[in-house]
Amino acid sequence: QKEVEQNSGPLSVPEGAIASLNCTYSDRGSQSFFWYRQYSGKSPELIMFIYSNGDKEDGRFTAQLNKASQYVSLLIRDSQPSDSATYLCAVNSDTGNQFYFGTGTSLTVIP
Amino acid sequence: DAGVTQSPTHLIKTRGQQVTLRCSPKSGHDTVSWYQQALGQGPQFIFQYYEEEERQRGNFPDRFSGHQFPNYSSELNVNALLLGDSALYLCASSLAGSGNTEAFFGQGTRLTVV
Repeated sequence: QKEVEQNSGPLSVPEGAIASLNCTYSDRGSQSFFWYRQYSGKSPELIMFIYSNGDKEDGRFTAQLNKASQYVSLLIRDSQPSDSATYLCAVNSDTGNQFYFGTGTSLTVIP
Repeated sequence: DAGVTQSPTHLIKTRGQQVTLRCSPKSGHDTVSWYQQALGQGPQFIFQYYEEEERQRGNFPDRFSGHQFPNYSSELNVNALLLGDSALYLCASSLAGSGNTEAFFGQGTRLTVV
């Protein structure tokens, strides 16, 4: 069973600041990593995925992957109140058929 | 283009009853996965259907069963409901071979067992 660990938070940042969300995973053989955003009572929405070591940027979001440390992070620049949600880290299975999710980190952006 | 649709959105059942949840995948997708999300937890994989067969299964008892139809839509059935089955049930559709990079979730079915 793969394990994905996230700090449950809550994490609070002021509007305009950088929010940093972290995730570690247990299976060194994991290949692909995903970040989802989930608003209260809603379904997860894909923010981005990353395969390769290093950074991947998409607008205000940057995913960072360090396979040697088995660590994935998500940075949100210029945080907005609308970014307030739970952020789920997910690791893909070897077969690519299922996600292993962390418990999520609750983020609150304070206006 | 309709995304992933699930029905019903909310459901209340009594312990011991049976329930059927439905999912229509995003147009062009051929694979459906089901997840259970308890309050305050991340989604847990139940099983995945492709070509009308269960391709992979998570750590859930046989009370959880499913089906996929020729039009790729899917059902999740849960028998002998327990209070602990209360959760948000999520359906995710994807395209086989995409490595889940094209996986999209439906809005979920909130099941309450009383």
